[in-house]
Formats: sequence, C-alpha cells, structure tokens
Amino acid sequence: GDSVTQMEGPVTLSEEAFLTINCTYTATGYPSLFWYVQYPGEGLQLLLKATKADDKGSNKGFEATYRKETTSFHLEKGSVQVSDSAVYFCARGRRASKIIFGSGTRLSIRP
Amino acid sequence: EAGVTQFPSHSVIEKGQTVTLRCDPISGHDNLYWYRRVMGKEIKFLLHFVKESKQDESGMPNNRFLAERTGGTYSTLKVQPAELEDSGVYFCASSLREGDNEQFFGPGTRLTVL
Repeated sequence: GDSVTQMEGPVTLSEEAFLTINCTYTATGYPSLFWYVQYPGEGLQLLLKATKADDKGSNKGFEATYRKETTSFHLEKGSVQVSDSAVYFCARGRRASKIIFGSGTRLSIRP
Repeated sequence: EAGVTQFPSHSVIEKGQTVTLRCDPISGHDNLYWYRRVMGKEIKFLLHFVKESKQDESGMPNNRFLAERTGGTYSTLKVQPAELEDSGVYFCASSLREGDNEQFFGPGTRLTVL
C-alpha cells in the first residue's frame, strides 16, 4: 500500500548548519506531498507542500522538491535556527482524502 | 478565527475504562479526520467524516473505537474499553469541502492507558 519513509532521528545540529531530512514515498498515482511540523506543545502545522512533479514547496527558509524519478521529497534549509527545533513529518495525500505520514524526525538545534 | 480544538489535552485512564475525545473543527469545514500517533511511530489515519457521514473508516483499529459526528459539527471518538496499546496522541483535522482541501490540525489529545 501507499507509504512514506523518512530518515529516523533524532537529528542534532548547531545553529546555522545546513539541514537535510530525507523522505521517499511509494509511487502510486500522483499524490500531493507535504511536510508538516510540530513545535513543542503545539499541534501539527503544514510547513510546505507540492502538488505535482518538479514543484518546489518553500516556507520559512525550508524547501522541498517533488522528484518523481526518485520518488523523493527531501526537506532542506540552508541555515537552521534554534526556533526550528521540532518534529518534522513527511506526508502524501490526495484531495479530500486521508494523509499518509512518515514516522517523524525530531530535530534539535544547539545555540 | 479559531482553529481546530480538541478536548481534553491529556487523559490518563486505567485499562478497561472508557474515554471520550472531542474535536471541534473550524467552522464551515465539512471534512473532519481523526488520526493517531502511537509510541512515537508514524501518524496513522483513523477515519474521515463528510458532514455527519463516515466517508472512510478503514483506519479504525477495532470495534472498541466509536466515532460520531452528530449534526455535522463537532466529533467524538470513544474508546471502550481502553487497552494499553491505545496510548498515544490523537489528532483531529478539518478541511473545506471545496478548494485545495488543506487539512488543519488540532493540538491533539495525549491518551495514556495504565
């Protein structure tokens, strides 16, 4: 069935380091792809999304490109901040239907 | 405008007891979803309402779980009787019927079954 696989955490980086969190998905159909973030004590928030191949989603300095040939949607940020510490979830979904999530990657940024 | 709200934020119960979780979606959102995250694993879909009708309940783990959405507004998820493996965080999300259907999530209810 449909699934999403993302790199396991926790990931610990120093402030201003480069971040990559890998994510791959099963290639059934043409889903939309998402990155959600859960900051400490808060609910899930949509960070960015891409709806078709080669689309790039971006928000708050984070980027991810929908790669159909490698079935990937890796999350990147050039310079992380302490405030980026959170759990990040890669996900796939379709209109008005369930979202399938990866297992989440906990990110901690050291000052 | 208020976002998706969930009550309670935390619940600690003993095995065999009953717990009812509540979700209030964003006003005007016909779609309502329940998900849960167990033991730090992936967030898994439980079910999907369109207004008061169950559109997809393929993720409900067993008949100890009962979800309702009377009147098509708020929803409840009852677990009866609760088992240890039901511990986790239960998320609710809602979306518009039309448009890009972005799902907006609530803060979750952390359920601990002892």
